Amino acid sequence: GAGVSQSPSNKVTEKGKDVELRCDPISGHTALYWYRQRLGQGLEFLIYFQGNSAPDKSGLPSDRFSAERTGESVSTLTIQRTQQEDSAVYLCASSPLGQGEDQPQHFGDGTRLSIL
Amino acid sequence: SQKIEQNSEALNIQEGKTATLTCNYTNYSPAYLQWYRQDPGRGPVFLLLIRENEKEKRKERLKVTFDTTLKQSLFHITASQPADSATYLCAAPRRSNYQLIWGAGTKLIIKP
Repeated sequence: GAGVSQSPSNKVTEKGKDVELRCDPISGHTALYWYRQRLGQGLEFLIYFQGNSAPDKSGLPSDRFSAERTGESVSTLTIQRTQQEDSAVYLCASSPLGQGEDQPQHFGDGTRLSIL
Repeated sequence: SQKIEQNSEALNIQEGKTATLTCNYTNYSPAYLQWYRQDPGRGPVFLLLIRENEKEKRKERLKVTFDTTLKQSLFHITASQPADSATYLCAAPRRSNYQLIWGAGTKLIIKP
């Protein structure tokens, strides 16, 4: 595919359930980022993967959040025991090189997560 | 703490005029700033990057400036069109780990 692909585009679930969000980055991009965007707010960094290096998890808000990436391909963000405050749009981005390079990030259209 | 601030009020501009959006940064000096456009229900799309040693950058009808004295970047759209209506986000990396800090965005509305 030409761009970053995220699935599902929308997810509605009950409080307490676990959810898994998926991101397919642009092929060949070594860096992958997850962000959370609440309504009317800026992007909030969650986690960053760069090649085979240990991920930067410094933005994960609690231990209910975790993410994995297989090599330089697909990533999944998992939220366990969801809370209503987890409702937001979760955006994934990728870039050819790592975070230290001044290059643009390419975004998917996000997963809109609603916790009832 | 390091912050990126944008005007949260929507900006209404008449078609054909120049739209100017502001991005202020506080408590640090980023090496560069990026500007993105975000349409409803879509992810941000990169527009321009300007480095700290560049005063101005242009791309078609877009112009970005970087004033390290005022700690501010201005984003201009000349000859604005209704299709330019969107939310515009600015972002700048932390010096420590290059993690991007994002502004909340300014909604631009171009009226025909």
